[in-house]
Amino acid sequence: ILNVEQSPQSLHVQEGDSTNFTCSFPSSNFYALHWYRWETAKSPEALFVMTLNGDEKKKGRISATLNTKEGYSYLYIKGSQPEDSATYLCAFRGLVDNFNKFYFGSGTKLNVKP
Amino acid sequence: NAGVTQTPKFQVLKTGQSMTLQCAQDMNHNSMYWYRQDPGMGLRLIYYSASEGTTDKGEVPNGYNVSRLNKREFSLRLESAAPSQTSVYFCASSEPRGANTEAFFGQGTRLTVV
Repeated sequence: ILNVEQSPQSLHVQEGDSTNFTCSFPSSNFYALHWYRWETAKSPEALFVMTLNGDEKKKGRISATLNTKEGYSYLYIKGSQPEDSATYLCAFRGLVDNFNKFYFGSGTKLNVKP
Repeated sequence: NAGVTQTPKFQVLKTGQSMTLQCAQDMNHNSMYWYRQDPGMGLRLIYYSASEGTTDKGEVPNGYNVSRLNKREFSLRLESAAPSQTSVYFCASSEPRGANTEAFFGQGTRLTVV
């Protein structure tokens, strides 16, 4: 079982604040790192897939960076809006298990207050 | 565009009862997964199937069995439900060949064991 950790566990910010969260994963046998957005009562939806050290991905006000050598990824939200309120999950895939297994962190729950 | 469909959406069982959660995907994916989601613990892998005809245990397989009926369908069975199995269950599928693939999730099954 691989250890994927996310911090903080929860975050409360005001509308307009920028924020970031961390995902830590094993620095060996890296294959891919995924970020998912999970709204209450819905199913997780993919935000980014990152595969190369130094990768940076952006979708609107959300962006992510990847450091595979030290085993971490950051997710940034610029100018948070109430609709950004959700749990953000990261998932690690390694070169073991034929790349099949997604190892999820416990998530960061973001609450954006109007 | 059904994606991943799982049934039922809600279920209440008495301790000791059995039930099967059904999952089907229409994306021709080789890999399918069953996760459970408990507060503060993110998604934990129960079982996965890398391809039709194969199944493997995940992090928390005890008390569960699975069947990969064909490429489309992957069912999860609770033979004798226990209160500790009260959880939200998610089925997912992916095409693992290629690092940029993502996992697609069903809408979840909220199971309560009393």
